[in-house]
Amino acid sequence: DTGVSQDPRHKITKRGQNVTFRCDPISEHNRLYWYRQTLGQGPEFLTYFQNEAQLEKSRLLSDRFSAERPKGSFSTLEIQRTEQGDSAMYLCASSLGQGAQSGNTIYFGEGSWLTVV
Amino acid sequence: EDKVVQSPLSLVVHEGDTVTLNCSYEVTNFRSLLWYKQEKKAPTFLFMLTSSGIEKKSGRLSSILDKKELFSILNITATQTGDSAVYLCAVRDDKIIFGKGTRLHILP
Repeated sequence: DTGVSQDPRHKITKRGQNVTFRCDPISEHNRLYWYRQTLGQGPEFLTYFQNEAQLEKSRLLSDRFSAERPKGSFSTLEIQRTEQGDSAMYLCASSLGQGAQSGNTIYFGEGSWLTVV
Repeated sequence: EDKVVQSPLSLVVHEGDTVTLNCSYEVTNFRSLLWYKQEKKAPTFLFMLTSSGIEKKSGRLSSILDKKELFSILNITATQTGDSAVYLCAVRDDKIIFGKGTRLHILP
């Protein structure tokens, strides 16, 4: 399968615990995005990478959230000291393109569902 | 602040009807506009629009972009129950910003 893959697909955790999600983008894609989606809302931008560089981080993202893409391939999103409000689907997407290139679609993974109890 | 606004937020029609979904946007550095369909999983790609006035078509779905007025529409003709989904509009500058979606429900 050459699509975007995410792991785990589902995670239930107790409030206060840390969780980490992994995303493996399409292999030749240099851009990787993280989004969060709650019921009834569109995907909310969290952060994105071009290769290993984190280019932008949403101001809505608290300090408990951190993302890395150490070798410019897979990425991890860690949430520390989870809260019930963190319950959502965390979507990863990837694309090929940089700078002024506009002609590249982004492809989504299946998402990682987080439930904080 | 960059934003994407979709309307209506929800729509219920009967099978066979034609629907038009709207998307307006304000972004600093527009590169393209994207439409996605989302059922109970990740969004699936429908169209990417970069130029004004050029209609993109795929079966019963079509979409067009107006870069002067900063909006796009997605049309679905002869709707079927399988078209029931959330339709997401997104605009790409350096990142990709989504609207809240239009929840479309087709009654048999």
